[in-house]
Amino acid sequence: DVKVTQSSRYLVKRTGEKVFLECVQDMDHENMFWYRQDPGLGLRLIYFSYDVKMKEKGDIPEGYSVSREKKERFSLILESASTNQTSMYLCASKDSAYEQYFGPGTRLTVT
Amino acid sequence: AQRVTQPEKLLSVFKGAPVELKCNYSYSGSPELFWYVQYSRQRLQLLLRHISRESIKGFTADLNKGETSFHLKKPFAQEEDSAMYYCALSGMSGNQFYFGTGTSLTVIP
Repeated sequence: DVKVTQSSRYLVKRTGEKVFLECVQDMDHENMFWYRQDPGLGLRLIYFSYDVKMKEKGDIPEGYSVSREKKERFSLILESASTNQTSMYLCASKDSAYEQYFGPGTRLTVT
Repeated sequence: AQRVTQPEKLLSVFKGAPVELKCNYSYSGSPELFWYVQYSRQRLQLLLRHISRESIKGFTADLNKGETSFHLKKPFAQEEDSAMYYCALSGMSGNQFYFGTGTSLTVIP
């Protein structure tokens, strides 16, 4: 059974702080994704990675960066958190077919 | 450009009634289409994909290339179908995914 875990379920940070969101998958998937989920806007892709140290921008990369040093771990970094980055963040990994497996999500609040 | 459109944010139906969640897409080439579901307090999970042509939990979805639609249907709604449903599209590479804005389905007992 595929397992995708995220480091925190809830996180509260102050404006200007650097924030790290961690995601780990245990199925040796090459592809990993970070989305944010907002009511009325659905899921929007921030970044994805198709291999270690490889990354591609999604639709809304501004204000975010990512790191993939190991195959199982994909980190999302908010360099200087802002209130408009308050959201639910979802990580996903994908096998060679098309199915994505999602983590439970991290609800980030920036005050 | 919006690639996946779900026109209904909210949809309520009575138990036992048919339900249809609409999804339209725009994409050049041959996309793969999916429906994902998120039940209350659970993680997002795949419900079905058009290439498998299967019925999951009584739901089916037919890809209509002429109308660029991938509507999700179930003949008799059940209370446990209440959830948020997302239509999604994947491009040829399989690396880019585009999700719709979601439809919240409520099945009234």
